[in-house]
Amino acid sequence: DGGITQSPKYLFRKEGQNVTLSCEQNLNHDAMYWYRQDPGQGLRLIYYSQIVNDFQKGDIAEGYSVSREKKESFPLTVTSAQKNPTAFYLCASSIQETANTGELFFGEGSRLTVL
Amino acid sequence: QKEVEQNSGPLSVPEGAIASLNCTYSDRGSQSFFWYRQYSGKSPELIMFIYSNGDKEDGRFTAQLNKASQYVSLLIRDSQPSDSATYLCAVNMGDSNYQLIWGAGTKLIIKP
Repeated sequence: DGGITQSPKYLFRKEGQNVTLSCEQNLNHDAMYWYRQDPGQGLRLIYYSQIVNDFQKGDIAEGYSVSREKKESFPLTVTSAQKNPTAFYLCASSIQETANTGELFFGEGSRLTVL
Repeated sequence: QKEVEQNSGPLSVPEGAIASLNCTYSDRGSQSFFWYRQYSGKSPELIMFIYSNGDKEDGRFTAQLNKASQYVSLLIRDSQPSDSATYLCAVNMGDSNYQLIWGAGTKLIIKP
């Protein structure tokens, strides 16, 4: 089955630690995205990538980093510089970043809690 | 500031009735509009999109767009308990998927 796999589903982090969230897709999509979802707020874009070895900052990139070494993979690192990292993180993909279909395919999400 | 506003709810609707969800947006130049459904603890999934003024129907779902008044709505006919979810409105204020602006969502509860 084609889809997007995120791991881990739940993650606990101590303050000052970096953590990396995995996102893998087998949909052969060019574009991939990372969003953050907080209660009472809309999804906010952290980073996006439209092609291998290229990625762009979204609206809330501070304290996060990404890489896109393979088309299938777009991991997100939450660094210790992110002051309020507790949130639900969603990885998504689309056929093309410029397609403007609005059809994003989401993974099941990773819930990060800072202790 | 580009914004998409939705009533957070919860909106409670009896089974079999029509559920009406509304969304307003700030950018008058927006061209495309999307409704996603998100079950609790799960990821969003696209259920409708609309580009032109008027109504667009897909099964029990109807999206309505009024660009002059800057609102888009989603009607769900013959509501079922399985429709209970949070409905997210997303508006593309540019011409690329990364320019989607998301509302916070309306929680819909269908009462049997």
